[in-house]
Amino acid sequence: DAGVIQSPRHEVTEMGQEVTLRCKPISGHDYLFWYRQTMMRGLELLIYFNNNVPIDDSGMPEDRFSAKMPNASFSTLKIQPSEPRDSAVYFCASSLRGPTGYTFGSGTRLTVV
Amino acid sequence: AQSVTQLGSHVSVSEGALVLLRCNYSSSVPPYLFWYVQYPNQGLQLLLKYTSAATLVKGINGFEAEFKKSETSFHLTKPSAHMSDAAEYFCAVSDSGGYNKLIFGAGTRLAVHP
Repeated sequence: DAGVIQSPRHEVTEMGQEVTLRCKPISGHDYLFWYRQTMMRGLELLIYFNNNVPIDDSGMPEDRFSAKMPNASFSTLKIQPSEPRDSAVYFCASSLRGPTGYTFGSGTRLTVV
Repeated sequence: AQSVTQLGSHVSVSEGALVLLRCNYSSSVPPYLFWYVQYPNQGLQLLLKYTSAATLVKGINGFEAEFKKSETSFHLTKPSAHMSDAAEYFCAVSDSGGYNKLIFGAGTRLAVHP
């Protein structure tokens, strides 16, 4: 298995632009998570899905952030419009049902200038 | 609510010395506990997990952790540090609302000196 695949690995964009981050979970995994990591705030859970349905989006910081999972093999996290304070590493992770732990992707490093 | 406290944001050891990274948890239900490692510019990788079987859990790369209910602890140890162990380590506990949701600690950065 190729693991959790995220794209792009790096994204540099100008303030105000729309940014879309992509994630392909491990085939057969029921759960998908989006995290944000910064030096100041550590790892923050933004949203997670179960069987493509959003379960908890309480971590999404603002209406500028949205996430979708149109099918079991693809999810997107969109920021519109982007701001410099959105600069962070964004991780996607997936898991099977039960306490199996997550498999993380390699992350997308987002820089908003 | 579930929570995790990692004591010491930075730990420094000499190569060959014992590694001890501390994790204490708070949980209203029997917890599931995890340790992850993050190498620079990489995602988090599962080191080991406790899921109510044996209290001493062995993981990858020679690491192990012991679940101590009386102390609400799940400390990570390795008898002899290698230079390649330098990374950030995260402890996590399952959320009581759903075992698939994990609550992560703030992380401990391990430095290994020759």
